[in-house]
Amino acid sequence: DGGITQSPKYLFRKEGQNVTLSCEQNLNHDAMYWYRQDPGQGLRLIYYSQIVNDFQKGDIAEGYSVSREKKESFPLTVTSAQKNPTAFYLCASSATGEITGELFFGEGSRLTVL
Amino acid sequence: KQEVTQIPAALSVPEGENLVLNCSFTDSAIYNLQWFRQDPGKGLTSLLLIQSSQREQTSGRLNASLDKSSGRSTLYIAASQPGDSATYLCAVLTMRNYQLIWGAGTKLIIKP
Repeated sequence: DGGITQSPKYLFRKEGQNVTLSCEQNLNHDAMYWYRQDPGQGLRLIYYSQIVNDFQKGDIAEGYSVSREKKESFPLTVTSAQKNPTAFYLCASSATGEITGELFFGEGSRLTVL
Repeated sequence: KQEVTQIPAALSVPEGENLVLNCSFTDSAIYNLQWFRQDPGKGLTSLLLIQSSQREQTSGRLNASLDKSSGRSTLYIAASQPGDSATYLCAVLTMRNYQLIWGAGTKLIIKP
C-alpha cells in the first residue's frame, strides 16, 4: 500500500537534546512538507522540499533542520534551540512540487519535552 | 495577510442529522480550498479540493461549496453517522504568496 510513514509515533525528549523524526513515502511524490500542530491553532509549516537535495524554510523554521537526500525520505530534526518543541508533528507529500493538488499526510509524531 | 477561521470550534449533533461546517477566509485571491478530516491522534485525510474556478465538489455524503466573493466555504454532511465524528479542517492556497493557510478546525461529535 502506498502512503507516508512517520516514526516514532510518540517521542519524549529531555531539554537540551536533539531528536529526529522520520518521514518516508512510497508514493513517488516530488514534494514533502513538515507541519506543526498545536491545540486550537491551524497547522504551521516548518520546512518543505519540492525536489531532492533542495528545501526551503516555512513560517516557523527556527530550531528545526531537515535534509532531503532521497526522494522517499524527509527527516526532521528538532534541535535544542527550539524553545517550545512539545507538539504534534505531521509530515505530508504532494505529487508535484507545487501545492495545487491533494496533500497526503502521515499519522503524525507526538513529541513531549520532559 | 490571509486568515482562515472555522466556527464553531466544536459541534455535537444527533445521528441522522444533516449538518454544515463553516470556513471563512479574508483574502479572496486563492488558488483552491481543501477540506480535511482528522481523527484523534492521527494524521489528516483529504476529503474535497475545490479549485478557485469551481463552486462545489461532492463525494458521497459530503458536499463542499466555495463562494470566493464572500470568503466562505461550507462542508455539508448528509445523514450524519457516529463514524463522522472527527475534527474537520479547511485550508486555502493563497495567490499572494503561494502559501497554504489553515483553519484551527471544527471538532464534530455525532451522538448515537
